[in-house]
Amino acid sequence: DAKTTQPNSMESNEEEPVHLPCNHSTISGTDYIHWYRQLPSQGPEYVIHGLTSNVNNRMASLAIAEDRKSSTLILHRATLRDAAVYYCILIEEYGNKLVFGAGTILRVKS
Amino acid sequence: NAGVMQNPRHLVRRRGQEARLRCSPMKGHSHVYWYRQLPEEGLKFMVYLQKENIIDESGMPKERFSAEFPKEGPSILRIQQVVRGDSAAYFCASSPRLPPYEQYFGPGTRLTVT
Repeated sequence: DAKTTQPNSMESNEEEPVHLPCNHSTISGTDYIHWYRQLPSQGPEYVIHGLTSNVNNRMASLAIAEDRKSSTLILHRATLRDAAVYYCILIEEYGNKLVFGAGTILRVKS
Repeated sequence: NAGVMQNPRHLVRRRGQEARLRCSPMKGHSHVYWYRQLPEEGLKFMVYLQKENIIDESGMPKERFSAEFPKEGPSILRIQQVVRGDSAAYFCASSPRLPPYEQYFGPGTRLTVT
């Protein structure tokens, strides 16, 4: 599976937008970009995915670079409940397992 | 639509006993995955199953661990003769058959071996 690189941690103020970056320079043309998050003491939670175009859902937005070598997860208004570890993962077209890296620990300050 | 269900949520076993962890996937999902999270470590893939078939078990320890997903009923992760190093959170996820194969996780089973 192609690898991703994320910052170890980020901090945000409550009610402000958060941009979580992810580099995936070895991405192949058929890899999907997935984001998951894990809140303390809970199972991982699917957030969003994309292939080439930017995507929006009720939880977040995903901005994908034109060359697809990087992407950014955008939380439009961070809340205390968004404090979690965020994982950026590439999935092959017929892939199955998720390969979790260390992710980005997001801390939200009130 | 109920989410992925796992039981028990907490399981305590003595060394040498057997542990059975159950996972019921989301309705309509025929792909099941098991992951393990050791204390202070990341999530690691263990096994991927479809109904009655093991598709990828590359992350399963070679001994004492087995998994099944029968035609009827939940998926079972079985750990025989547990040791202290098996203490971890075990998460099950399920996925639909169509791309992009997003996975939906259960709340996990926290296994403690005493």
